[in-house]
Parts: sequence; structure tokens; C-alpha cells
Amino acid sequence: EVQLVESGGGLVKPGGSLRLSCVASGFTFTHVWMSWVRQGPGKGLEWVGRIKTNTDGGATDYAAPVSGRFTMSRDDSKNTVYLQMNSLNVDDTAVYYCVAGSPFEYWGLGTLVTVSS
Amino acid sequence: DIVMTQSPDSLAVSLGERATINCKSSQSVFYSSNNKNYLAWYQQKPGQPPRLLIHWASTRESGVPDRFSGSGSGTDFTLTITSLQAEDVAVYYCQHYDRTPFTFGPGTKVEIK
Repeated sequence: EVQLVESGGGLVKPGGSLRLSCVASGFTFTHVWMSWVRQGPGKGLEWVGRIKTNTDGGATDYAAPVSGRFTMSRDDSKNTVYLQMNSLNVDDTAVYYCVAGSPFEYWGLGTLVTVSS
Repeated sequence: DIVMTQSPDSLAVSLGERATINCKSSQSVFYSSNNKNYLAWYQQKPGQPPRLLIHWASTRESGVPDRFSGSGSGTDFTLTITSLQAEDVAVYYCQHYDRTPFTFGPGTKVEIK
């Protein structure tokens, strides 16, 4: 059974940082591109970023609103993908989903990030 | 960047009737090199993460009921739910996945009339 389990969300002040983690199981993690997708309160889905497999060079791409502030990385030895989020602002408040594949075949349950003073 | 639009924003359909959702991309997501449209449909029920229903514009995922079907090519796509069931109440999103940024449509809310 495929599982994606996110952690690391919480309440942070504007300008602060958080690191989200996502542990994957049930599929060959090293073969799969991973993404983060977020959903603000009452809003639609917004792709945040993607990291390719290390075989494909491990390249990352980000949505414009987070580029330069957010960084994705992966540790294939731990089947884990990370999202380092810096310079957070209130518009980053959302449920952050860890997603596997392209298209997005598997989704975690999400972790809530709240940016508020 | 490719902009995805959907219509309608919401629709109410009687049980057993047909629901049709339209999705349009600002640029073609069809690639003649492999004859594929890089277009997916997702279903999101309240309090749940999205679920991939359809990829390549018309290929149903395993376990998705055959009342769900996708069609279209290039820039215009449709998700059809024939014979709407109560469990189909959800928001439906289209998304292109040919190149980043992988943008989603704004979503269409389907309710029971």
C-alpha cells in the first residue's frame, strides 16, 4: 500500500521558516518524481515545486510565488522528500500535500502551515 | 505559463443524470511525438486530499468507476460523469503536466440537485 506521510507543519510568524518532511512507502521512491502541492483555506490547488529523480539529475522547479524562498530536496536512503520554506508570509498559509508521480498519482493527507503574527 | 480555466464554477445535477465539466488550456498540451495530451483530472471530496481520476486526458485510473470519462485534445477537454451518484459530490480539477509550472484549473464544484 502506498503511503505518503507529511510532517513539520505548524504555526510560524511572518518571516519565519519551516521544514516539511514527507516519508514515502509502498513504491520505488528512487524512480519517482516528487512534488508539493498546497491548498489555501477555501481555495483551489496550487503546485509548489517538483524534484526529479537522482537518475534524472535531481533537478528542481518551483512555482513563481515560492521561487527563491522554498527549496526541495530528497534523501533516497530515507525515502523522504523535504520542503524548506523560508521568508514565509501570510499567503503561504495552506495545507501542504506531498505528491508522487507525474501526473500526481499518490497524495499524502497533508500538513497545515499557518503563517500568522 | 499555461493557464487552465474550467467551466462552470459549479453545477447541481440530479442523481442519475449527467454532469459535464469543461477545461481549457491557454496552450496546447498535445504532443505529436507520442500522440498524448498531458491533461489530468482530479476529484477532491471535502476533508480529503485530491484523487487522480484520469490521465492522458482520457485514461481512467485503476478503480475509477466507468461512469467517469475524459475527452478532448489540444486545448479543450471535458470530464463527464454519466449517471451521477451521491458519492460523486466533490470539486473536480483539471491540470496539465507537460512542463512546469504544473498548473491546475480553479475547480468545479459538483452538487446534487
